[in-house]
This record gives sequence, structure tokens and C-alpha cells, in this order.
Amino acid sequence: AQKITQTQPGMFVQEKEAVTLDCTYDTSDQSYGLFWYKQPSSGEMIFLIYQGSYDEQNATEGRYSLNFQKARKSANLVISASQLGDSAMYFCAMREPDQGAQKLVFGQGTRLTINP
Amino acid sequence: SAVISQKPSRDICQRGTSLTIQCQVDSQVTMMFWYRQQPGQSLTLIATANQGSEATYESGFVIDKFPISRPNLTFSTLTVSNMSPEDSSIYLCSVEDQHFNYGYTFGSGTRLTVV
Repeated sequence: AQKITQTQPGMFVQEKEAVTLDCTYDTSDQSYGLFWYKQPSSGEMIFLIYQGSYDEQNATEGRYSLNFQKARKSANLVISASQLGDSAMYFCAMREPDQGAQKLVFGQGTRLTINP
Repeated sequence: SAVISQKPSRDICQRGTSLTIQCQVDSQVTMMFWYRQQPGQSLTLIATANQGSEATYESGFVIDKFPISRPNLTFSTLTVSNMSPEDSSIYLCSVEDQHFNYGYTFGSGTRLTVV
């Protein structure tokens, strides 16, 4: 069963606007972590932001914030004041224990395009 | 955070041949992970490599096709064997990074094209 769901295959946003990328997850564990990564066309994975399941406040990192709604099992990424360099693939991921290893499971990704 | 040097960054290979991808980490790490990203797709975990033990493969991946070595706490290799065009993907290594509060660092990836 899909554990991480990103329902937006593509998003197009005007430069300087804010954008929200959706992510829902499914787990029966009480302890888990949620991540967002950016993947530009070069292929590298760039860490953006992290939210722990026990964190009561939403995580923020510069222009990135994570809208964490635990009861709804959603962890949406908000990018404020978007820039042309934000154009990339964005992946939501969840860390959960599996036979002693803490594995990351990724969603299908959202391709974000920022228009000038 | 840890720094991972992944080589090669890209390669074009003939079908039926094998390619070995290397990941060198600048600090000792317990777990290393190997992912495959097929064109236009998300990352799929191939296997988890713990130093001194056999790698643990995910469903759909087998050791004969993707043998992994983990000779010490800073190095691992993934071999893609008997390649076919369907193996054309980006391959990434990742580590569970004790020096990084949020846990994971990725190599820069190997972009493989099989012709």
C-alpha cells in the first residue's frame, strides 16, 4: 500500500507567489519522521525540512515551512516568495523503522515550475 | 553533515555488461542505502547495507542482479549486472547520518544509460 501520497504531479506558479505542495502519509507507528527533498535536474537530493511526529510546532527553514496536521496525516510543504531557482521535483518522504533499519519511503513527487 | 562522494556521475553502457558504482563517505556510518530512480519516477529502495553483514534487499531486487559490498564503515559499492535498457536510471546512495540532526545524506547520484 502506498505510504506517501503526493497528489499533484505538476504545479505551475508565478515568481514571488507562495506555493503549497501536498503530502499525505499512512503509518500505524507513533514515532516517525517526515521529510521534504528537492531534486533539481542535476539529480541530487537536497534536504529541505524535517518534522518529527512528536513535534508540536510546525517546522520552518527559511522560506520553507511544513504544515503538519497529524490527525489528518498530512505534511504539506509551503514555499513562500517563490524564486525561479525553486523549479525542480519535490519529494515527500517518511522515515519509519523496519527490522532495525530506519528507512525512507518516498512519494511520487511533484514537479514545480516557477514562471517569471 | 557527512559528505558522500559517488562515482561515476554518469555512464553509458552496453547491454549485457556490468557497472559498479562507488560511494565513499567522509565519516563512519552504520547504515548505507541504495536507491534506484527510473526516468520520471520516484526513488525506490534497492537494499540496505550494514557493515560486516549481507545487504538486505527489498522486494523485487535480488543479489545476483544488484550485488552490494560494504567492506568498512565509510565505503560501499553497488553493481548493476547484466544490464538491459530497463536498468537505465539514476542510482543514489544514502547514509543514516549521525552528524546530521535529520538523519539522511545523499550522494550526487549516478545517471546510467544502457544502450
